Amino acid sequence: GENVEQHPSTLSVQEGDSAVIKCTYSDSASNYFPWYKQELGKGPQLIIDIRSNVGEKKDQRIAVTLNKTAKHFSLHITETQPEDSAVYFCAARENSGYALNFGKGTSLLVTP
Amino acid sequence: GAVVSQHPSWVICKSGTSVKIECRSLDFQATTMFWYRQFPKQSLMLMATSNEGSKATYEQGVEKDKFLINHASLTLSTLTVTSAHPEDSSFYICSANLPQSYNSPLHFGNGTRLTVT
Repeated sequence: GENVEQHPSTLSVQEGDSAVIKCTYSDSASNYFPWYKQELGKGPQLIIDIRSNVGEKKDQRIAVTLNKTAKHFSLHITETQPEDSAVYFCAARENSGYALNFGKGTSLLVTP
Repeated sequence: GAVVSQHPSWVICKSGTSVKIECRSLDFQATTMFWYRQFPKQSLMLMATSNEGSKATYEQGVEKDKFLINHASLTLSTLTVTSAHPEDSSFYICSANLPQSYNSPLHFGNGTRLTVT
């Protein structure tokens, strides 16, 4: 089955700096890669996703890059703000009929 | 706004009792819903795939007789934790795909915090 590795497990940055979280996956059949933000006591919230036919996608301060050959994808958050502090999960799957396989999460702390 | 609604948001029950958690898709039909469990400071672990009108598919190590899943309609799936034990205390989260197209996003409910005393 799919195995998703995520690094780092914790990340602390100063407000205004950038944060990068990296994930690798094992199953070459995976073609959908979402990122979720989870705040304490809440369910994960989809923040951005990318499909295998695209190498990069950007939405305001958030961007995701995908390298299918190397089987890794990354989340980039620029101009971080304290409200970006949360746990971020990467995930991978083949298609809508399959469940997502999650990384172990990255606890991001943005200090003022 | 939320596209998947989960109820209750938290529940406390005594050992040996059963607890039912509901997951509803709002304004769309979900033939498939997924149930995850999350322990503190850990990732989401898939428990089972809930299929409307048929039996759920359970992941290895998840007891189907303990975690009963019913997906009786296209907008509702329920998870019942039977004969609950303290080790069942966890955060249970359901999810569903928006039925737009191939590879549609998976959206999650806000979870149910179960505490078994």
